[in-house]
Amino acid sequence: AQTVTQSQPEMSVQEAETVTLSCTYDTSESDYYLFWYKQPPSRQMILVIRQEAYKQQNATENRFSVNFQKAAKSFSLKISDSQLGDAAMYFCAYRSEIIQGAQKLVFGQGTRLTINP
Amino acid sequence: DAGVIQSPRHEVTEMGQEVTLRCKPISGHDYLFWYRQTMMRGLELLIYFNNNVPIDDSGMPEDRFSAKMPNASFSTLKIQPSEPRDSAVYFCASSLSGGRQTQYFGPGTRLLVL
Repeated sequence: AQTVTQSQPEMSVQEAETVTLSCTYDTSESDYYLFWYKQPPSRQMILVIRQEAYKQQNATENRFSVNFQKAAKSFSLKISDSQLGDAAMYFCAYRSEIIQGAQKLVFGQGTRLTINP
Repeated sequence: DAGVIQSPRHEVTEMGQEVTLRCKPISGHDYLFWYRQTMMRGLELLIYFNNNVPIDDSGMPEDRFSAKMPNASFSTLKIQPSEPRDSAVYFCASSLSGGRQTQYFGPGTRLLVL
């Protein structure tokens, strides 16, 4: 079974600085998808960014980018120019690339990010 | 689009009572997921449906939990009888089929069982 590990329960960063959240995963599959979700105090789960394992290019969405290291099974999230609205729990998630059936998301335990003004 | 809709947003009940959580997926999505979030166990998948048919219910904790999807636009998660350890936030999510598709989450239902 796949597992996802986020080794940083809490992180903090100064507003406008850059922060990197870590995520590692364990799988024997070669094709899969990785996600970062954000959960602000409202509890809503919001997709931040997605990476397909078959793509070598790292995904980028505005101030959010990932460093995907397939061999190392590492998938970190970099937030540039941190803003107060980025304060939230961040979850890393894994999903198999199986066309039929398993569409399960396996989540890490989350990292609570605090932005200091 | 309105996104995934869940009701109620908050539910407080007493142990032994029946609880019904409701979800309306995004129109056109053919996958629907129920998750539970607790401090101890994090986010867990309880069950998911494809085209209204339950595909995997291995995450349902015990027989007190049941889920139905009578049509493409509505699903329920029922707990009967409820226990204090069922207190959690329950999320519903939906997605289109296909490996590249993303799951979109509803706002969650915070359940407190006294």
